[in-house]
Amino acid sequence: EIVLTQSPGTLSLSPGERATLSCRASQSVRSSYLAWYQQKPGQAPRLLIFGASSRATGIPDRFSGSGSGTDFTLTISRLEPEDFAVYYCQHYGSSLWTFGQGTKVEIK
Amino acid sequence: VQLVQSGAEVKKPGESLKISCQGSGYPFPSYWIGWVRQMPGKGLEWMGIIHPLDSDTRYSPSFQGQVTISADKSINTAYLQWSSLKASDTAIYYCGRHDGVSSSLFGDWGQGTLVTVSS
Repeated sequence: EIVLTQSPGTLSLSPGERATLSCRASQSVRSSYLAWYQQKPGQAPRLLIFGASSRATGIPDRFSGSGSGTDFTLTISRLEPEDFAVYYCQHYGSSLWTFGQGTKVEIK
Repeated sequence: VQLVQSGAEVKKPGESLKISCQGSGYPFPSYWIGWVRQMPGKGLEWMGIIHPLDSDTRYSPSFQGQVTISADKSINTAYLQWSSLKASDTAIYYCGRHDGVSSSLFGDWGQGTLVTVSS
């Protein structure tokens, strides 16, 4: 079973700054099966990125995804107030869907 | 696309429970529906998945035997049920419509159902 490890656990940044979130898989995974979600307090998760680098419908272009093999990155180019939330990476493989433990992006 | 889940539940340990997730705005039988647990203050855990067309079901090893997932395609609804709740089942449960390559991701989510198990 593939384990996804996200880092850092918490990222403290100011609006306007760049956020770089990491997701590392315990073994090489297909990029097409790697997604990122955003979850705000009291809300359901929302799909941001699929196929490691494609933005979902309606997602602003300040969000971008990259990576391959075991290392994937979600970048928020300039943080807006509404971007402070928890972010999860997720992978599918061998009929198992796995989430990372999440990275909280908080206001510094 | 909309997924509407049943309302919050408060139950005692040992009781049974069935929560629901009704889809609309898309051909419900054609898409896998998954269930995800979020314990208080914790992350997301995938529990299992069902295809409403034929009720083909897969479970996470962590949840196999602990819950039952079912669906009724005639009313566009998927279910998650417990036969005997434990305090540790206290969590928010989300349903999600699978989408993308090999149904690998959750394209849309329900609003969540809070289940509280307490004596």
